[in-house]
Amino acid sequence: QKEVEQDPGPLSVPEGAIVSLNCTYSNSAFQYFMWYRQYSRKGPELLMYTYSSGNKEDGRFTAQVDKSSKYISLFIRDSQPSDSATYLCAMSGGRGSYIPTFGRGTSLIVHP
Amino acid sequence: DAGVIQSPRHEVTEMGQEVTLRCKPISGHDYLFWYRQTMMRGLELLIYFNNNVPIDDSGMPEDRFSAKMPNASFSTLKIQPSEPRDSAVYFCASSFNSGQGQHFGDGTRLSIL
Repeated sequence: QKEVEQDPGPLSVPEGAIVSLNCTYSNSAFQYFMWYRQYSRKGPELLMYTYSSGNKEDGRFTAQVDKSSKYISLFIRDSQPSDSATYLCAMSGGRGSYIPTFGRGTSLIVHP
Repeated sequence: DAGVIQSPRHEVTEMGQEVTLRCKPISGHDYLFWYRQTMMRGLELLIYFNNNVPIDDSGMPEDRFSAKMPNASFSTLKIQPSEPRDSAVYFCASSFNSGQGQHFGDGTRLSIL
């Protein structure tokens, strides 16, 4: 079992839909949870960063962490074609290391 | 801020040749990371530096791979000799601390024929 699991997709939705992207993990020591967005032929860029459990909102984006279930989510409201990208989850703080472990990414396509 | 700068953006070379990838981190960042990304394996950490010192190179696939950071503003990843299975996108990233909020360059797309 990989330490971080993420469905590669692709996930195709119509413009305006609410998108839910998810990751599961096995290391209960993880404390820091991140979402990166990667456009085609670009490097990943940090989108959201949360510590421990709970929700964090930033504009149309909401990150949710459920440590009891070892499950994190990224919600995108009113999705736009410009949101089309690969979304990678990452987490750290396990085994005394703060080097992030990345999921493989979910490809999201928002069609007009 | 200029961001993390990588060069070249694309590299196509023949098997057996030496390949050198370059990275300029964001000024003031004390951590530098080298990653490799493929469809099959996703994003893999190869090596990272703290204050120019290599801390963990356990992700470097073979002795053919080597990385250096001679100063705070420059790092190289070298592959010698290169093989077709080294074809991938190589990313450099830097951060203020070890793992929270890394800033990535736009990568070097490497093709070994």
